[in-house]
Amino acid sequence: GENVEQHPSTLSVQEGDSAVIKCTYSDSASNYFPWYKQELGKRPQLIIDIRSNVGEKKDQRIAVTLNKTAKHFSLHITETQPEDSAVYFCAASAFGNEKLTFGTGTRLTIIP
Amino acid sequence: DVKVTQSSRYLVKRTGEKVFLECVQDMDHENMFWYRQDPGLGLRLIYFSYDVKMKEKGDIPEGYSVSREKKERFSLILESASTNQTSMYLCASTTGITREQYFGPGTRLTVT
Repeated sequence: GENVEQHPSTLSVQEGDSAVIKCTYSDSASNYFPWYKQELGKRPQLIIDIRSNVGEKKDQRIAVTLNKTAKHFSLHITETQPEDSAVYFCAASAFGNEKLTFGTGTRLTIIP
Repeated sequence: DVKVTQSSRYLVKRTGEKVFLECVQDMDHENMFWYRQDPGLGLRLIYFSYDVKMKEKGDIPEGYSVSREKKERFSLILESASTNQTSMYLCASTTGITREQYFGPGTRLTVT
């Protein structure tokens, strides 16, 4: 089955700097890669996703890049703000399969 | 606005008890999921269901069973609770069209 590895497990960044979280996946059939954000005490929520037919997607300060050849994808957050502090999860799934395999999470802390 | 609710936010049970966790969604979603969340291990899939009375094992089904008698309701059952099942349990649902999973608020279960 699919295996998703996520790094780093913790990340501290000065407010205003950029943060990058990286994930690798094992199943070459995977074609859908979402990112979820979980604030303290809250439920995970989708913040951005990418499908395998594109290499990059942006939404304001967040972007995701995908390298299908290397089987890795990354989340980029620019101009970080205190409200970006949360745990971020990457995930992967194959076409027609609603089951998501999640990474182990990255706790991002923005230092004021 | 999608709403996914879970029957309890906190639950304390004794070893050997039968435990029922219930999840309800109000958006007519076909697919529903049960995850457990443990620090450093991310979100691990226990069971999922893609239709009424249909179920499939996830990555860690041992010690759990599920029931889906109605489309909007998905129950997780711990037949004989053990201390290693102390965890946060999250339910989610999705249409399969957008593939975004909508999570419930979670149930923190403690087995003593």
